[in-house]
Amino acid sequence: GAVVSQHPSRVICKSGTSVKIECRSLDFQATTMFWYRQFPKQSLMLMATSNEGSKATYEQGVEKDKFLINHASLTLSTLTVTSAHPEDSSFYICSAAQGETGAGELFFGEGSRLTVL
Amino acid sequence: AQSVTQPDIHITVSEGASLELRCNYSYGATPYLFWYVQSPGQGLQLLLKYFSGDTLVQGIKGFEAEFKRSQSSFNLRKPSVHWSDAAEYFCAVGSSGGYQKVTFGTGTKLQVIP
Repeated sequence: GAVVSQHPSRVICKSGTSVKIECRSLDFQATTMFWYRQFPKQSLMLMATSNEGSKATYEQGVEKDKFLINHASLTLSTLTVTSAHPEDSSFYICSAAQGETGAGELFFGEGSRLTVL
Repeated sequence: AQSVTQPDIHITVSEGASLELRCNYSYGATPYLFWYVQSPGQGLQLLLKYFSGDTLVQGIKGFEAEFKRSQSSFNLRKPSVHWSDAAEYFCAVGSSGGYQKVTFGTGTKLQVIP
């Protein structure tokens, strides 16, 4: 199957700094990517839909200025957590859609664990 | 709005025993249904999916799931569980129409005892 890679897998940062997480589709082009946040022992919550060449669509309650999403190419989307605080510590996962029809499949990255001190 | 319910938060089975994980969904049209598995600290791996056709779907690692429209269910089964199956399992429902906006259930954590 198709491969989606996230980097870094783990990152620790100081409060107030910004952190960038990359999501790459390695062997296919993804016009749409999705970013999720997963709290401990909970399910994945969709944060935003990242569209290549256009602005991301954020879910209700997700701060656009806090979580900056850029989808500059068909194989790369980035999530930047700006001015990170301890409450932003979480497991962030991206997925990429292969194909634009409803029968397409989502492929998930390995996840990135962010710890804000 | 679409939603998914996984009534069992945690299940423990003995190695070699059969397994069934429950999933109920709510969706206005014909749903796209998925089961994913997540090992600790890892991303999600697709086990199987249902879009249309045969309601009994075969997946990887010996898993299968059956779509029952009348019960709005998509339960995951495996005849004989292996210790390596211990993980978190997520049922998900997706919408058609061009984008894979998927809603996940809260997950069922599977523990396998020797």
